[in-house]
Amino acid sequence: GDSVTQMEGPVTLSEEAFLTINCTYTATGYPSLFWYVQYPGEGLQLLLKATKADDKGSNKGFEATYRKETTSFHLEKGSVQVSDSAVYFCALSQGAQKLVFGQGTRLTINP
Amino acid sequence: DGGITQSPKYLFRKEGQNVTLSCEQNLNHDAMYWYRQDPGQGLRLIYYSQIVNDFQKGDIAEGYSVSREKKESFPLTVTSAQKNPTAFYLCASSTPPGGSWKETQYFGPGTRLLVL
Repeated sequence: GDSVTQMEGPVTLSEEAFLTINCTYTATGYPSLFWYVQYPGEGLQLLLKATKADDKGSNKGFEATYRKETTSFHLEKGSVQVSDSAVYFCALSQGAQKLVFGQGTRLTINP
Repeated sequence: DGGITQSPKYLFRKEGQNVTLSCEQNLNHDAMYWYRQDPGQGLRLIYYSQIVNDFQKGDIAEGYSVSREKKESFPLTVTSAQKNPTAFYLCASSTPPGGSWKETQYFGPGTRLLVL
């Protein structure tokens, strides 16, 4: 079945560092891909999405490009802030709008 | 403001007790979902409903039940048959599957269920 694999966490960076969180997927067909962010004690918020190959999703300085050839959707940000500390989830959707999530990556940014 | 509300924020269950988690949305979305989140893990789908009076089992439906009598509401009951109910429960909704099936799911703030 469909699956999503994220890089192991936790990830700890200093403020203004460059961020990459890797995400790869396995799916038949052509899924939509998403990044969600979860702040402590809260629900998930959509960060960005891409619906077809070579699309780039972007929001709040975060970017991710749908790479069909490598089945990847890596999340990047050029300069992270303390307020970016959260858990980040990669997910795919294919048919019946069901989301399949990765296990999440906890990010901590130190001042 | 449109959105999804879940109540209560924290819920305590005694052994052998059924408890019901509330989820309400005013986004006019047809589809609604329930997910379970365990510490350090991703979300797993419990049940989903694409239209009123219809719902389907997700990946981990055993020990749970739902109803969908109104478009706005999708309550989840955690029954006594669920032997390990302690988790964070998240409700979500999205636009109709008859449109683009690639529409986004929007999440509520969650309910944390603890067993006494």
